[in-house]
Amino acid sequence: DTGVSQNPRHKITKRGQNVTFRCDPISEHNRLYWYRQTLGQGPEFLTYFQNEAQLEKSRLLSDRFSAERPKGSFSTLEIQRTEQGDSAMYLCASSLEVAVASLDWNTEAFFGQGTRLTVV
Amino acid sequence: DAKTTQPPSMDCAEGRAANLPCNHSTISGNEYVYWYRQIHSQGPQYIIHGLKNNETNEMASLIITEDRKSSTLILPHATLRDTAVYYCIVRGGATNKLIFGTGTLLAVQP
Repeated sequence: DTGVSQNPRHKITKRGQNVTFRCDPISEHNRLYWYRQTLGQGPEFLTYFQNEAQLEKSRLLSDRFSAERPKGSFSTLEIQRTEQGDSAMYLCASSLEVAVASLDWNTEAFFGQGTRLTVV
Repeated sequence: DAKTTQPPSMDCAEGRAANLPCNHSTISGNEYVYWYRQIHSQGPQYIIHGLKNNETNEMASLIITEDRKSSTLILPHATLRDTAVYYCIVRGGATNKLIFGTGTLLAVQP
């Protein structure tokens, strides 16, 4: 396994078009996160999945954004009717979340290289 | 909102130790301190994390104060390739999501 994979790496689209990004997490990772990052800022949380269930969506995720993880493996993020303000790097991360009684154990989340979206 | 405070930038001479501070005064007992870094145009890279004990791995050391209100990431021998934005993150709770701040831009000078 080579880590979290995101496709495409770059996408240029015209304003008003729909775009879809794909994220393949590390095998057997049950948690998957989507983030957005604009120039000079840290990544901003958008949404996350536990297996196939989408458990939280940020207020940043407008109605034009939708994310799915149909089989609990790969995930897609779709943006409808793109706007210039959607131009950003979209990052995906995955982790293995296990409920444990002890507080002394937690896992790291691994990020992909991102998809850079440019809306012209 | 991010629960950490970091200086916006730091310089370090190549070959010297880089000590990156982070304040997290509102950290809860079940929250971990994580460090990631991001090199330009790449995804964030995990460095290290800890709960209350100091931690060390092949990349860095993490020193957490006894009251857990602050921590320091130490890169023992900084190289030019360590130039990046370093994020200190408090992570935990039900979602266990990472909430990033603006991080510290570490510039390693030759």
